[in-house]
Amino acid sequence: AQTVTQSQPEMSVQEAETVTLSCTYDTSESDYYLFWYKQPPSRQMILVIRQEAYKQQNATENRFSVNFQKAAKSFSLKISDSQLGDAAMYFCAYRHAGGTSYGKLTFGQGTILTVHP
Amino acid sequence: EAGVAQSPRYKIIEKRQSVAFWCNPISGHATLYWYQQILGQGPKLLIQFQNNGVVDDSQLPKDRFSAERLKGVDSTLKIQPAKLEDSAVYLCASSRQGWELFFGEGSRLTVL
Repeated sequence: AQTVTQSQPEMSVQEAETVTLSCTYDTSESDYYLFWYKQPPSRQMILVIRQEAYKQQNATENRFSVNFQKAAKSFSLKISDSQLGDAAMYFCAYRHAGGTSYGKLTFGQGTILTVHP
Repeated sequence: EAGVAQSPRYKIIEKRQSVAFWCNPISGHATLYWYQQILGQGPKLLIQFQNNGVVDDSQLPKDRFSAERLKGVDSTLKIQPAKLEDSAVYLCASSRQGWELFFGEGSRLTVL
């Protein structure tokens, strides 16, 4: 079974600075997807960024970028120029690429990010 | 387009009582999911529907949990009888025949 581990229960950053959230995963599959989701206090999970395992290039979405190390099974999220609105719980998630399991996301335990003004 | 709608947002019940949660997915989304998120943990998939058929319910505690998706649109998740450990947020999500899931705001259940 796949597992996703986020070893940082909490992180904090000053506004406008950069922070990196860590994630490792374990799988025997070669084709899969990785995601970072943001969950603010309103509880609605919002997709931040995704990475296809077959792509070597790291995904980037505006201030959000990932460092995907397939051999090391590591998938970290870097938030640049942090804003107060970035404060939330962040979840790393894994999904196998095959079959009908489009939604069978396996989530990590989450990292609470605090942004200080 | 309207997002995934869930109700109620909050529910408090005594143990051994029953409760039902409702979800209305985004229009046109064939796949619907129910996730359970216990405080301090990541969400865990309970059940996945494709139209009105069950694709995966391997982690659904079938002795007390049930779910149905009427006519391939709305869905209801029921717990009967509830246990203390069922206290959690129940998230509904939907997707087209693809990979991006859209989540609702969840229903928070407290079992006393």
